[in-house]
Amino acid sequence: GENVEQHPSTLSVQEGDSAVIKCTYSDSASNYFPWYKQELGKRPQLIIDIRSNVGEKKDQRIAVTLNKTAKHFSLHITETQPEDSAVYFCAASNNTPLVFGKGTRLSVIA
Amino acid sequence: IAGITQAPTSQILAAGRRMTLRCTQDMRHNAMYWYRQDLGLGLRLIHYSNTAGTTGKGEVPDGYSVSRANTDDFPLTLASAVPSQTSVYFCASSPRTGDTEAFFGQGTRLTVV
Repeated sequence: GENVEQHPSTLSVQEGDSAVIKCTYSDSASNYFPWYKQELGKRPQLIIDIRSNVGEKKDQRIAVTLNKTAKHFSLHITETQPEDSAVYFCAASNNTPLVFGKGTRLSVIA
Repeated sequence: IAGITQAPTSQILAAGRRMTLRCTQDMRHNAMYWYRQDLGLGLRLIHYSNTAGTTGKGEVPDGYSVSRANTDDFPLTLASAVPSQTSVYFCASSPRTGDTEAFFGQGTRLTVV
């Protein structure tokens, strides 16, 4: 089955700097790669997703890139703000239930 | 009800007791899932259902059972709770399995003592 590795497990950045979180997956047939943000005590919520027929997707300060050959995808957050502080999860699916990475705790220091 | 709702929000349970966590969605989603969240381990799939009447095992199914009698409800039962089942449980749903956004419930914090 699918296995998703996520790095780093924790990340601290200064406000205004960029943050990058990386994930690798094992199943070359996986075709859907969402990213979820979970604030403290809250439920995970989708922030951006990408499908296997696209290499990059951007939504304001958030972008995701996908390298199918290398089987890895990354989340890029630019101009970070304190409200970006949260745990971020990547996930992958091959028309199966999502398999999640272990999460990255992002802290944005004002 | 708007979206996906879990009950209870938190529970302290004696080891050996039986417990059912409830999950209801009103979005007419075909697929539903149960995940557990433990510190450092992320979200691990317990059981899932692709559509009403069908269920499947996830990564960590032992000690848990589910049923999907209709589209809206997907209860998770712990037959005889053990301390290792202390966790935060999230129910989620999506229009179809896999390649669409999954919407999560607010979670149930379960402590087995």
